[in-house]
Order: sequence, then C-alpha cells, then structure tokens
Amino acid sequence: GENVEQHPSTLSVQEGDSAVIKCTYSDSASNYFPWYKQELGKRPQLIIDIRSNVGEKKDQRIAVTLNKTAKHFSLHITETQPEDSAVYFCAAEYGNKLVFGAGTILRVKS
Amino acid sequence: DTEVTQTPKHLVMGMTNKKSLKCEQHMGHRAMYWYKQKAKKPPELMFVYSYEKLSINESVPSRFSPECPNSSLLNLHLHALQPEDSALYLCASSQTVAEYEQYFGPGTRLTVT
Repeated sequence: GENVEQHPSTLSVQEGDSAVIKCTYSDSASNYFPWYKQELGKRPQLIIDIRSNVGEKKDQRIAVTLNKTAKHFSLHITETQPEDSAVYFCAAEYGNKLVFGAGTILRVKS
Repeated sequence: DTEVTQTPKHLVMGMTNKKSLKCEQHMGHRAMYWYKQKAKKPPELMFVYSYEKLSINESVPSRFSPECPNSSLLNLHLHALQPEDSALYLCASSQTVAEYEQYFGPGTRLTVT
C-alpha cells in the first residue's frame, strides 16, 4: 500500500551540529522524493527533492540521499542554525500524488 | 507571479453555513490540489485536478465539493461541515500531475462551530 515512514518524530541538535532525518517507502515504482519544511503557521515549502535516477543531491547545507534498493531516503542538514527549526516532511510519489511522512520536529538550540 | 494564493486566510463557520475557499495561481500550472492538514500532522490529499478535470477524489465526504472554473482557479465549496472538519486547508499546484514539484499556498484556517 501507500506508506511513508519517517524517523525520528522529534530531533534536538545544538547549533552548528548536523541533523539527519530518514524515510522509508513501500512502492518500488516510486520515482520522486521531495522534502518540505513547514514553519509554525506557514505553508509547507519545498526545500529539496530527488528522483530515482540519482543517488544524492546537494544544495548548500542541505543534501538528500536515496537508496532505491532499500527503499529509503534521508535528509541531511549540516551546520544547523536556529532558523532551521521547523517541521520537516518527506514524501514519496505514488501514481499522480504525493504521500507524506508523519513529520519530524527539528529544534536547533543556540 | 510565482506564488499560490488562497483566500480567506481564516474562516469561522457554523454547521449549517455554506462557504467557499478560493485558490489561485498564475504560473501556468495545469495540476491543482486540495489538502487538509490537522495540527502536527502531514498534509492529507483530498482532491487532484488535472487540466481542469477532477482526476483524484480521496473518498472525501460530499460536504466538500471542489470546482475548477479555469486553469488558474480552484475552489472548495463547504456545506454542512462538522467540528472535526476544522483544519488548515492547503491548495497546491504543479506543472502537471506527472511533474511532481508541488508548491503550496498559505492555507485557509477553518474553524467549524
């Protein structure tokens, strides 16, 4: 079925440390995996995405890795800053729709 | 214009009221979506429109009625809602349903009393 599992549900890190959030998906036919950041009271914002023909993608302090064999993908944030504090959602494409993970609350302590 | 806009920002309605939510985008996107989001939960897909035609209805109760008058506009008509329907309603759009980068509007915070 359509399922995306996301861990951990909450993550606290010290400013400057790295943060890693992991997701697994169930359908080997899925080909697109975005990550959204949602600050309190704001809209989800697409921060990075990856397609199945690529194993890793980077954008400044953010990177996403994909392991198609194991059906999991991860978000890596380096040199975390207080403004990185938010809820992060992973998603996987199933047919013509996205299915979201349950979310990770990231707190960056200064 | 690279944004999805939604009106109103907030809406309070009684269980017998009829109201509508509006979503607009001028990016030339041909796929538009309605999501419902409860506090501390992920967005939950309700409807997908592709080229102004309804392509996915995620078994949403008939008290929610979507409409796509043209390629830039998406409405969600509300009637006889229940208090448990109180949530943030998000609209999103993408180039097409097969190009998955979805961009969200700011949402309408709906409270049903």
